[in-house]
Amino acid sequence: KAGVTQTPRYLIKTRGQQVTLSCSPISGHRSVSWYQQTPGQGLQFLFEYFSETQRNKGNFPGRFSGRQFSNSRSEMNVSTLELGDSALYLCASRLNPGQGSNYGYTFGSGTRLTVV
Amino acid sequence: AQSVTQLGSHVSVSEGALVLLRCNYSSSVPPYLFWYVQYPNQGLQLLLKYTSAATLVKGINGFEAEFKKSETSFHLTKPSAHMSDAAEYFCAVSDTGNQFYFGTGTSLTVIP
Repeated sequence: KAGVTQTPRYLIKTRGQQVTLSCSPISGHRSVSWYQQTPGQGLQFLFEYFSETQRNKGNFPGRFSGRQFSNSRSEMNVSTLELGDSALYLCASRLNPGQGSNYGYTFGSGTRLTVV
Repeated sequence: AQSVTQLGSHVSVSEGALVLLRCNYSSSVPPYLFWYVQYPNQGLQLLLKYTSAATLVKGINGFEAEFKKSETSFHLTKPSAHMSDAAEYFCAVSDTGNQFYFGTGTSLTVIP
Protein backbone atom coordinates (compact mmCIF):
# COMPACT_ATOMS: atom_id res chain seq x y z
CA LYS A 1 0.00 0.00 0.00
CA ALA A 2 1.58 3.26 -1.10
CA GLY A 3 2.16 5.87 1.56
CA VAL A 4 1.48 9.58 1.47
CA THR A 5 3.28 11.10 -1.50
CA GLN A 6 4.40 14.69 -1.56
CA THR A 7 5.88 16.44 -4.56
CA PRO A 8 8.26 17.99 -5.09
CA ARG A 9 10.69 17.04 -2.31
CA TYR A 10 12.71 20.22 -2.60
CA LEU A 11 11.95 23.69 -3.93
CA ILE A 12 13.87 26.94 -4.11
CA LYS A 13 11.84 30.06 -4.80
CA THR A 14 12.45 33.78 -4.79
CA ARG A 15 10.68 36.26 -2.54
CA GLY A 16 7.43 37.43 -4.08
CA GLN A 17 6.89 34.30 -6.14
CA GLN A 18 4.16 31.78 -5.52
CA VAL A 19 4.42 28.04 -5.07
CA THR A 20 2.12 25.02 -5.25
CA LEU A 21 2.78 21.83 -3.32
CA SER A 22 1.03 18.55 -3.97
CA CYS A 23 -0.03 15.69 -1.73
CA SER A 24 -1.50 12.31 -2.62
CA PRO A 25 -2.95 10.56 0.43
CA ILE A 26 -3.01 6.86 1.16
CA SER A 27 -5.60 5.12 -0.96
CA GLY A 28 -8.94 5.26 0.86
CA HIS A 29 -7.94 8.17 3.10
CA ARG A 30 -10.25 11.09 2.54
CA SER A 31 -8.88 13.58 5.04
CA VAL A 32 -5.72 15.54 4.26
CA SER A 33 -4.01 17.98 6.60
CA TRP A 34 -1.07 20.29 6.06
CA TYR A 35 1.55 21.36 8.58
CA GLN A 36 4.43 23.80 8.46
CA GLN A 37 7.53 22.73 10.37
CA THR A 38 10.28 25.16 11.28
CA PRO A 39 13.07 24.85 13.87
CA GLY A 40 11.72 27.71 15.93
CA GLN A 41 7.98 27.03 15.79
CA GLY A 42 7.76 23.26 15.57
CA LEU A 43 4.71 21.82 13.82
CA GLN A 44 2.11 24.43 12.97
CA PHE A 45 -1.29 23.33 11.65
CA LEU A 46 -2.24 24.97 8.37
CA PHE A 47 -5.54 23.37 7.36
CA GLU A 48 -7.45 20.15 6.94
CA TYR A 49 -9.57 19.08 3.99
CA PHE A 50 -12.22 16.42 3.86
CA SER A 51 -14.48 15.68 0.91
CA GLU A 52 -13.11 18.68 -0.96
CA THR A 53 -14.10 21.04 1.87
CA GLN A 54 -11.83 22.86 4.27
CA ARG A 55 -12.73 21.53 7.68
CA ASN A 56 -10.27 23.32 9.95
CA LYS A 57 -7.85 26.16 9.49
CA GLY A 58 -4.84 27.22 11.50
CA ASN A 59 -3.63 30.72 12.22
CA PHE A 60 -1.89 31.57 8.97
CA PRO A 61 -2.34 34.55 6.65
CA GLY A 62 -4.52 34.38 3.58
CA ARG A 63 -1.42 33.90 1.41
CA PHE A 64 -1.65 30.25 2.42
CA SER A 65 -4.47 28.40 0.72
CA GLY A 66 -5.34 24.89 -0.22
CA ARG A 67 -7.79 22.70 -1.98
CA GLN A 68 -8.75 19.08 -2.30
CA PHE A 69 -9.84 17.24 -5.39
CA SER A 70 -12.48 14.55 -5.80
CA ASN A 71 -9.80 11.84 -5.68
CA SER A 72 -8.70 13.22 -2.27
CA ARG A 73 -5.42 14.60 -3.60
CA SER A 74 -4.64 17.98 -2.15
CA GLU A 75 -2.61 21.02 -3.09
CA MET A 76 -1.50 23.94 -1.04
CA ASN A 77 -0.50 27.27 -2.47
CA VAL A 78 1.57 30.05 -0.98
CA SER A 79 1.48 33.39 -2.76
CA THR A 80 3.85 36.32 -2.42
CA LEU A 81 6.51 34.24 -0.74
CA GLU A 82 8.46 35.67 2.19
CA LEU A 83 11.80 34.55 3.61
CA GLY A 84 9.95 33.34 6.71
CA ASP A 85 7.98 30.85 4.64
CA SER A 86 11.10 28.69 4.33
CA ALA A 87 10.13 25.47 6.05
CA LEU A 88 9.36 21.79 5.71
CA TYR A 89 5.73 21.42 4.64
CA LEU A 90 4.21 18.16 5.74
CA CYS A 91 1.06 16.56 4.47
CA ALA A 92 -0.78 13.96 6.54
CA SER A 93 -3.75 11.81 5.73
CA ARG A 94 -6.25 9.76 7.70
CA LEU A 95 -9.40 7.80 6.93
CA ASN A 96 -11.72 10.63 7.85
CA PRO A 97 -11.87 13.10 10.75
CA GLY A 98 -14.51 11.14 12.59
CA GLN A 99 -12.52 7.95 12.76
CA GLY A 100 -9.15 9.59 12.66
CA SER A 101 -8.53 10.28 16.28
CA ASN A 102 -7.81 6.73 17.26
CA TYR A 103 -5.86 5.97 14.12
CA GLY A 104 -3.61 8.96 13.94
CA TYR A 105 -2.12 10.54 10.91
CA THR A 106 0.11 9.03 8.26
CA PHE A 107 2.64 11.62 7.16
CA GLY A 108 4.41 12.17 3.89
CA SER A 109 8.13 12.91 3.71
CA GLY A 110 7.48 16.58 3.19
CA THR A 111 8.46 19.31 0.77
CA ARG A 112 11.45 21.40 1.78
CA LEU A 113 10.78 24.96 0.61
CA THR A 114 13.59 27.49 0.63
CA VAL A 115 12.79 31.12 -0.13
CA VAL A 116 15.75 33.28 -1.16
CA ALA B 1 -8.30 23.67 24.06
CA GLN B 2 -5.83 20.84 24.26
CA SER B 3 -2.10 21.26 24.61
CA VAL B 4 1.00 19.16 24.89
CA THR B 5 4.21 19.93 26.75
CA GLN B 6 7.40 18.05 26.08
CA LEU B 7 9.96 18.64 28.79
CA GLY B 8 13.46 18.88 27.42
CA SER B 9 14.01 19.93 23.83
CA HIS B 10 17.26 17.94 23.76
CA VAL B 11 18.00 14.66 25.50
CA SER B 12 21.29 12.76 25.34
CA VAL B 13 21.74 9.17 26.45
CA SER B 14 24.52 6.65 26.13
CA GLU B 15 24.06 3.65 23.90
CA GLY B 16 22.44 0.90 25.96
CA ALA B 17 21.01 3.30 28.54
CA LEU B 18 17.36 3.93 29.33
CA VAL B 19 15.53 6.39 27.12
CA LEU B 20 12.91 8.56 28.83
CA LEU B 21 11.14 11.31 26.90
CA ARG B 22 8.54 13.27 28.82
CA CYS B 23 5.13 14.39 27.64
CA ASN B 24 2.37 16.05 29.62
CA TYR B 25 -0.98 17.01 28.17
CA SER B 26 -3.94 19.09 29.09
CA SER B 27 -7.32 17.87 28.07
CA SER B 28 -10.79 18.35 29.41
CA VAL B 29 -11.90 14.98 28.09
CA PRO B 30 -10.20 11.59 27.85
CA PRO B 31 -7.72 12.10 25.05
CA TYR B 32 -6.14 10.08 22.35
CA LEU B 33 -2.35 10.29 22.68
CA PHE B 34 0.39 9.58 20.19
CA TRP B 35 4.14 9.49 19.86
CA TYR B 36 5.74 10.12 16.50
CA VAL B 37 9.39 9.90 15.44
CA GLN B 38 11.03 11.97 12.72
CA TYR B 39 14.35 11.12 11.12
CA PRO B 40 16.30 13.83 9.25
CA ASN B 41 14.57 15.05 6.11
CA GLN B 42 11.68 12.69 6.64
CA GLY B 43 8.06 12.97 7.67
CA LEU B 44 6.70 11.80 11.00
CA GLN B 45 6.24 8.09 11.65
CA LEU B 46 3.78 6.79 14.20
CA LEU B 47 5.55 5.02 17.10
CA LEU B 48 2.57 4.21 19.26
CA LYS B 49 -0.86 5.43 20.31
CA TYR B 50 -3.12 5.36 23.34
CA THR B 51 -6.82 5.07 22.61
CA SER B 52 -8.33 4.27 26.04
CA ALA B 53 -7.56 0.57 26.05
CA ALA B 54 -4.50 -0.62 28.02
CA THR B 55 -2.64 2.16 29.81
CA LEU B 56 0.75 0.66 28.91
CA VAL B 57 1.15 0.90 25.18
CA LYS B 58 3.83 -0.90 23.22
CA GLY B 59 5.03 0.48 19.94
CA ILE B 60 7.57 -0.18 17.26
CA ASN B 61 11.34 -0.40 17.71
CA GLY B 62 11.03 -1.43 21.37
CA PHE B 63 9.40 1.79 22.56
CA GLU B 64 6.53 1.92 25.01
CA ALA B 65 4.56 4.61 26.82
CA GLU B 66 2.34 4.64 29.87
CA PHE B 67 -0.81 6.72 30.16
CA LYS B 68 -1.14 8.16 33.67
CA LYS B 69 -4.36 10.08 34.03
CA SER B 70 -3.58 11.34 37.54
CA GLU B 71 -0.36 12.90 36.27
CA THR B 72 -1.71 13.83 32.82
CA SER B 73 1.41 12.26 31.41
CA PHE B 74 2.31 9.97 28.54
CA HIS B 75 6.07 9.48 28.80
CA LEU B 76 7.95 7.48 26.19
CA THR B 77 10.54 4.92 27.26
CA LYS B 78 12.90 2.36 25.83
CA PRO B 79 15.04 0.12 28.07
CA SER B 80 18.19 0.23 25.93
CA ALA B 81 19.05 2.97 23.44
CA HIS B 82 20.47 2.16 20.03
CA MET B 83 22.34 4.51 17.75
CA SER B 84 19.49 4.23 15.29
CA ASP B 85 17.11 5.81 17.84
CA ALA B 86 18.70 9.23 17.31
CA ALA B 87 15.87 11.34 15.93
CA GLU B 88 13.24 13.94 16.82
CA TYR B 89 10.28 12.72 18.85
CA PHE B 90 6.88 14.37 18.98
CA CYS B 91 4.05 13.80 21.40
CA ALA B 92 0.54 14.63 20.17
CA VAL B 93 -2.97 14.72 21.62
CA SER B 94 -6.25 14.52 19.76
CA ASP B 95 -9.59 15.40 21.26
CA THR B 96 -13.16 14.66 20.29
CA GLY B 97 -12.91 17.52 17.83
CA ASN B 98 -10.39 15.36 16.02
CA GLN B 99 -7.81 18.06 15.68
CA PHE B 100 -4.26 17.14 16.60
CA TYR B 101 -2.02 19.19 18.87
CA PHE B 102 1.69 18.49 18.71
CA GLY B 103 4.37 19.18 21.25
CA THR B 104 7.46 21.10 20.23
CA GLY B 105 9.54 17.95 19.96
CA THR B 106 12.50 16.38 21.74
CA SER B 107 15.73 15.73 19.89
CA LEU B 108 17.32 12.50 21.08
CA THR B 109 21.08 12.05 20.76
CA VAL B 110 22.60 8.64 21.41
CA ILE B 111 26.25 8.69 22.48
CA PRO B 112 28.35 5.68 21.49
